[in-house]
Amino acid sequence: EPEVTQTPSHQVTQMGQEVILRCVPISNHLYFYWYRQILGQKVEFLVSFYNNEISEKSEIFDDQFSVERPDGSNFTLKIRSTKLEDSAMYFCASSDARVAFFGQGTRLTVV
Amino acid sequence: SQQGEEDPQALSIQEGENATMNCSYKTSINNLQWYRQNSGRGLVHLILIRSNEREKHSGRLRVTLDTSKKSSSLLITASRAADTASYFCAFGMEYGNKLVFGAGTILRVKS
Repeated sequence: EPEVTQTPSHQVTQMGQEVILRCVPISNHLYFYWYRQILGQKVEFLVSFYNNEISEKSEIFDDQFSVERPDGSNFTLKIRSTKLEDSAMYFCASSDARVAFFGQGTRLTVV
Repeated sequence: SQQGEEDPQALSIQEGENATMNCSYKTSINNLQWYRQNSGRGLVHLILIRSNEREKHSGRLRVTLDTSKKSSSLLITASRAADTASYFCAFGMEYGNKLVFGAGTILRVKS
């Protein structure tokens, strides 16, 4: 069964460093998303991406964040100059415009 | 706010009993989806119900949607210990757009 894969599963980084979280969406999906979940809290929308551009972004998704689809398969989230409060589980999802399928997540720990 | 709310926050039942979780939302929606999350893992899609549907079944799952009350419920019948997880509702205003997640219900099924 097709699935969304994310790497790495766990990333520890020092405050102020840049991180890139990677995702391989399901191959025939056209809609891509990033969400995050701070431990014990709600799943929060960050950004959606369609037709090679951002279609919507939340207030959380400020200049510190960027997304790219560098090739036909990968979808990345870059966090510049990480802060302690960026520690969370980051989920990538892809959709056929109906059901959104989520990856297993990357647990980001900023120390 | 577009946020969804769920109740109960936590539910503990015996194996074989039914579990009911409720979700409410504030805006008009196009669809509502339910997801399961095992501890520290990804979000697994369970079921999607469209705004023009009132009830949907999938195996031991039954979802209802009342758009006049802006609420949905997820019923898991004959629960098993393996159903222990967090359950989230998520609603979309349009297909392909972001999902807005509820706070989730932590279900514990005791064997």
